Amino acid sequence: EAQVTQNPRYLITVTGKKLTVTCSQNMNHEYMSWYRQDPGLGLRQIYYSMNVEVTDKGDVPEGYKVSRKEKRNFPLILESPSPNQTSLYFCASSSTGLGAYEQYFGPGTRLTVT
Amino acid sequence: AQRVTQPEKLLSVFKGAPVELKCNYSYSGSPELFWYVQYSRQRLQLLLRHISRESIKGFTADLNKGETSFHLKKPFAQEEDSAMYYCALQNTGFQKLVFGTGTRLLVSP
Repeated sequence: EAQVTQNPRYLITVTGKKLTVTCSQNMNHEYMSWYRQDPGLGLRQIYYSMNVEVTDKGDVPEGYKVSRKEKRNFPLILESPSPNQTSLYFCASSSTGLGAYEQYFGPGTRLTVT
Repeated sequence: AQRVTQPEKLLSVFKGAPVELKCNYSYSGSPELFWYVQYSRQRLQLLLRHISRESIKGFTADLNKGETSFHLKKPFAQEEDSAMYYCALQNTGFQKLVFGTGTRLLVSP
């Protein structure tokens, strides 16, 4: 089944404790992206990647890191989480090129930083 | 800069009533526009895209470049349409999506 998976689905952590949220897709998509979803703010892009070893900042990259060593994986790293990073995080992937390509979303990771 | 505006946070209608979820955008180029839907406890999924000019689950959306709008419409709402709806804009040839803040549709029996 074509899908985007994220782990963990739920995470409660403390300020300053490094964490990684994994994202994997099995559709051979070049493009992958991370979003955070907050009430009243919709989805905001954190980082995206057009292909392996190519990453770029989205609209709200502060406090986050990413890497794209393999095509299928795009982990999100919080080196020193803070309470304002408490949010619902979504990973997405799509094909690239000219055209209106659908983005496929993961199930979401709900992160609470205390 | 790209911007998507969804003016209504909540739209509450009765079953069988017409629905229109508003979306306005600002973008200097030729946009690709989408509606994504998120049902309760489910992941975000594509509902429709403007280039397809299709009707999905009875929903349609027409791109009006003069008014820079892409409103989502359905003539007769169903209870199962209750969900969060996001309008999104993608610049041509690039996959970056900019989302609106979303409209929660609540259809009551």
